Amino acid sequence: GAGVSQSPSNKVTEKGKDVELRCDPISGHTALYWYRQSLGQGLEFLIYFQGNSAPDKSGLPSDRFSAERTGGSVSTLTIQRTQQEDSAVYLCASSWRLAGGTGELFFGEGSRLTVL
Amino acid sequence: QKEVEQDPGPLSVPEGAIVSLNCTYSNSAFQYFMWYRQYSRKGPELLMYTYSSGNKEDGRFTAQVDKSSKYISLFIRDSQPSDSATYLCAMPRDTGRRALTFGSGTRLQVQP
Repeated sequence: GAGVSQSPSNKVTEKGKDVELRCDPISGHTALYWYRQSLGQGLEFLIYFQGNSAPDKSGLPSDRFSAERTGGSVSTLTIQRTQQEDSAVYLCASSWRLAGGTGELFFGEGSRLTVL
Repeated sequence: QKEVEQDPGPLSVPEGAIVSLNCTYSNSAFQYFMWYRQYSRKGPELLMYTYSSGNKEDGRFTAQVDKSSKYISLFIRDSQPSDSATYLCAMPRDTGRRALTFGSGTRLQVQP
């Protein structure tokens, strides 16, 4: 399909383990975003990549969280030493124009992370 | 105070009802306003966007912005069971308009 692809769709891990979540954006989209959605909560911004510019990491909640984007395409969000409060759905989105203008964010279906 | 406040609901209405969904925001510099719809276990999808104040209509949906009150609304006419979803308002996080701040979402259930 031509949509944003995320994997894994579900991940159960033990507290203290590291996890990697992958996002494959829509081809040609230069901007890529990671958001987190906890139960009953709205979407919490984590990080934003735009082309070759330095990413906007201002939403990352702690230094246990990091993300990279290789070759301007696929992105990986890594959570080290997971905690129970990290349990959430991690959503990736991509766009080709400014999301805060007339651009549209195209979201994947998310990676549901459960930390036991 | 959160930048964007939204009543979480749930809101349950009979089929055919007019639905009003609302958000308030704190940053008077916001100019672009969006509504995203999220079905269960899916990612959000853009429903409508508006710029500055006024109304915008798209089929059964009308988005309204009142900048003087920092209040935005989404109206759904002739609501259908297929409209049952969570509706999230969104605005740019900053003047760069590169990323969005979302409300917590209002869960809507339209009963057949």
